[in-house]
Amino acid sequence: AQKVTQAQTEISVVEKEDVTLDCVYETRDTTYYLFWYKQPPSGELVFLIRRNSFDEQNEISGRYSWNFQKSTSSFNFTITASQVVDSAVYFCALSEGDDKIIFGKGTRLHILP
Amino acid sequence: DAGITQSPRHKVTETGTPVTLRCHQTENHRYMYWYRQDPGHGLRLIHYSYGVKDTDKGEVSDGYSVSRSKTEDFLLTLESATSSQTSVYFCAISEWGQDPDTQYFGPGTRLTVL
Repeated sequence: AQKVTQAQTEISVVEKEDVTLDCVYETRDTTYYLFWYKQPPSGELVFLIRRNSFDEQNEISGRYSWNFQKSTSSFNFTITASQVVDSAVYFCALSEGDDKIIFGKGTRLHILP
Repeated sequence: DAGITQSPRHKVTETGTPVTLRCHQTENHRYMYWYRQDPGHGLRLIHYSYGVKDTDKGEVSDGYSVSRSKTEDFLLTLESATSSQTSVYFCAISEWGQDPDTQYFGPGTRLTVL
């Protein structure tokens, strides 16, 4: 059975610090997809990134970067030089290609001014 | 903007009453989903649809039914609401083949059952 674990329930950092959100997944499939979503205080769910299991290249988008490591079944998300607007709940998710996504329980990130 | 709306956005109802939530999309996507979000549980799939009149159960389907008579609308019904169904409900859409598995979410409906 597929499973996504976000061990960090809540994190607080001071603005401009770097912060990494951990995500560990379990799957028996060789083809799968990993996602990160952001849920700001306003409540909407915003898609950030999708990565398939055949692409282990790390990705950088501005201050955001993602580190995908199949050897440790991890797909971690780093925010560099954090800002108050990064405060949100972040969800990691996994799909095995059957049109359903399993979400982790989320990490609540507080960026303190 | 994925062109998804949910109605109502907020609803307060009483135990035992029927409730229907509506999800409407303008993207003509084949797949639609209903999730509930509760503290400590993240997002859990209730039901989903892979085409008109084609639906299937998710992880937490008990007490819920769905219908999809048109591509653009996916209805979630609580036949007899209970306090345990107090939650935030999100609808999502996706399109297999173009951007497989990525789901885009509506703004959510906050339901309170008293």
